[in-house]
Amino acid sequence: QVQLVESGGGLVKPGGSLRISCAASGFTFSDYYMSWIRQAPGKGLEWVSYSDSGTTVNYADSVKGRFTVSRDNAKNSLYLQMNSLRAEDTAVYYCARHQVGAGDFDYMDVWGKGTTVTVSS
Amino acid sequence: SYVLTQPPSVSVAPGQTARIPCGGNNIGSKSVHWYQQKPGQVPVLVVYDDSDRPSGIPERFSGSNSGNTATLTISRVEAGDEADYYCQVWDTSSDHPVFGGGTKLTVL
Repeated sequence: QVQLVESGGGLVKPGGSLRISCAASGFTFSDYYMSWIRQAPGKGLEWVSYSDSGTTVNYADSVKGRFTVSRDNAKNSLYLQMNSLRAEDTAVYYCARHQVGAGDFDYMDVWGKGTTVTVSS
Repeated sequence: SYVLTQPPSVSVAPGQTARIPCGGNNIGSKSVHWYQQKPGQVPVLVVYDDSDRPSGIPERFSGSNSGNTATLTISRVEAGDEADYYCQVWDTSSDHPVFGGGTKLTVL
């Protein structure tokens, strides 16, 4: 079945780095845009970054210049390299698959269970 | 960046109809999608493209979108519908998805 499994979360000090991963299965990964979406404790959903099926990427202003999204279609995997981490980056990070909606406006139809990133000294 | 506004909370008695609004400038010209997130769980898509339901989502969940407000309607509300609900659109100016702040649905 279609599945996304995140890994790599943990505790990191402010200013540190972390790389999280998302392993996809059950669908042709290379055909889909993929996003990272985060949720800080007790807060709402915040889109972080997406990677299209090729080389196009985009980032939220809050992470631009610090985070880098990449993918390995041969390994069916999505990654997020997070540098210069701040306390406000503390969140559950979800990997999600895009689906093209009406008018070419995407929505996310499959979500992973998330991986927790905690930035604290 | 495009802004979506949701009320923090909505309360409804079991068996009644819950309506959760999502406001945005001329949101009627966009496609609106809705996610349900129960406590401690992953978000689940419940409505896409304003009013379509993914397979497995009960017919009690419906959506509408016009003018400056989109609405998620849950008919015959059950205790199990208690959750946070988020609307989402694609911001064409910045080319990325945008989420509303979320609405906590309480079943009285």
